[in-house]
Amino acid sequence: DTAVSQTPKYLVTQMGNDKSIKCEQNLGHDTMYWYKQDSKKFLKIMFSYNNKELIINETVPNRFSPKSPDKAHLNLHINSLELGDSAVYFCASSQVASGPAYFGAGTRLSVL
Amino acid sequence: GQQLNQSPQSMFIQEGEDVSMNCTSSSIFNTWLWYKQDPGEGPVLLIALYKAGELTSNGRLTAQFGITRKDSFLNISASIPSDVGIYFCAGVYSGNTPLVFGKGTRLSVIA
Repeated sequence: DTAVSQTPKYLVTQMGNDKSIKCEQNLGHDTMYWYKQDSKKFLKIMFSYNNKELIINETVPNRFSPKSPDKAHLNLHINSLELGDSAVYFCASSQVASGPAYFGAGTRLSVL
Repeated sequence: GQQLNQSPQSMFIQEGEDVSMNCTSSSIFNTWLWYKQDPGEGPVLLIALYKAGELTSNGRLTAQFGITRKDSFLNISASIPSDVGIYFCAGVYSGNTPLVFGKGTRLSVIA
């Protein structure tokens, strides 16, 4: 069983579209995250949720909106996609906010 | 904000050689983590360090949490082709601060 699973794995879309990425963890963790990895492989946190509550919101355009319907799910919705949004987006979870994070396989977003 | 300096950026080594990489920070961390990322996959946790001076092994991998809490290193002994990938260090200062990642070390192993 995959511990942190995100869908889709690949997402190719046109500029201006709205898209969502879903994430689920079956580890029973309290904290979930979204990270963005750019073309140089730099990993940067976008959001962190603890027990469905937003605890970290780094400087991210408000076109990005995370939603956590329950502790095991953290989805990412992106409005009005731009070329610069092309990247790999990783969902992750940890047992507590200061604990090691376990990552999903990533969603490769290409905006044309 | 907190930043991690990870070096080297890339390494080309012969199969069987030992590898060493490190991370330094201007700030102290309470937890140091080492991850490996294979192409097309997410980072996978290799070793977690929680105490200054701690030395932990995972198979051929050994990592240490620096005494000053501002650095950590990862050693890989007797490298094999499947060690190829990007290795990331990461640090956590406190529960309300995000995991901070280094920029990665790309390891290539020549058979």
